[in-house]
Amino acid sequence: GAGVSQSPSNKVTEKGKDVELRCDPISGHTALYWYRQSLGQGLEFLIYFQGNSAPDKSGLPSDRFSAERTGGSVSTLTIQRTQQEDSAVYLCASSLGGRGTEAFFGQGTRLTVV
Amino acid sequence: AQSVTQLGSHVSVSEGALVLLRCNYSSSVPPYLFWYVQYPNQGLQLLLKYTTGATLVKGINGFEAEFKKSETSFHLTKPSAHMSDAAEYFCAVRYTGNQFYFGTGTSLTVIP
Repeated sequence: GAGVSQSPSNKVTEKGKDVELRCDPISGHTALYWYRQSLGQGLEFLIYFQGNSAPDKSGLPSDRFSAERTGGSVSTLTIQRTQQEDSAVYLCASSLGGRGTEAFFGQGTRLTVV
Repeated sequence: AQSVTQLGSHVSVSEGALVLLRCNYSSSVPPYLFWYVQYPNQGLQLLLKYTTGATLVKGINGFEAEFKKSETSFHLTKPSAHMSDAAEYFCAVRYTGNQFYFGTGTSLTVIP
C-alpha cells in the first residue's frame, strides 16, 4: 500500500483482556513509531524501532505494554490486562530514519476499554 | 529537557483572516522542526518541515513557518483562513535522539 496501514480501526474490549494492534509501515521505511493520543491530549511517545537496532522502549507506560517488529516490517503493539485508562487512539508512524525525515502516520486504532 | 510548547490550545479566526499558531522549542542542539495537521478521525499529515537552509519554509495548503533560532520559535502562519483549515495542528521537534517530540496541539476554528 501507499501509506501506513493500521488495524483494526476500532477496538472495544473488556477490562482485563489482552489486545493486539497491528501496523504495516510504508515499504522501505526503516523506522517505526508508536504513539498514544488520549482525548484532548497531545501525542505520547511509546516505542521506536530503527532497523535491526534495539528498540527505544522508554515511552512504554507499564510492563503491560509491549511491541515487536517482525522482519523489519510489520509491528504489533500488545496491551495485556487492559485498563480503562488505556482507552485512547494508538497511532503508528514510519519514516526513512534520517533525522530530517518526516514521519508518516496511519489512521490510528481507537481502543475503548469497557 | 527537550520540549515543545504550543501556546493556545484553541484558536479561532474569521474566514479570510490571518492564521498564527505558535510553537516554541527548547533545545541545546539544532532541531529539526515539523508541523502536522490532524483532521477529525484521521492520522497526522505533514504540513511542512525545517531541516537546514532557508529559515522560511512553505508547506501545503498555503501554510508557511519561519524558524527563528534567536527566539527558539517555529510559528505557523497562513495569510487567509479557509473553512477547510479547521483542524488540530501539532508542532514537533526532533533532536539527536530517535523520537519526535510533539506539542499538545492547537485546535483551529474558522468562523464563517
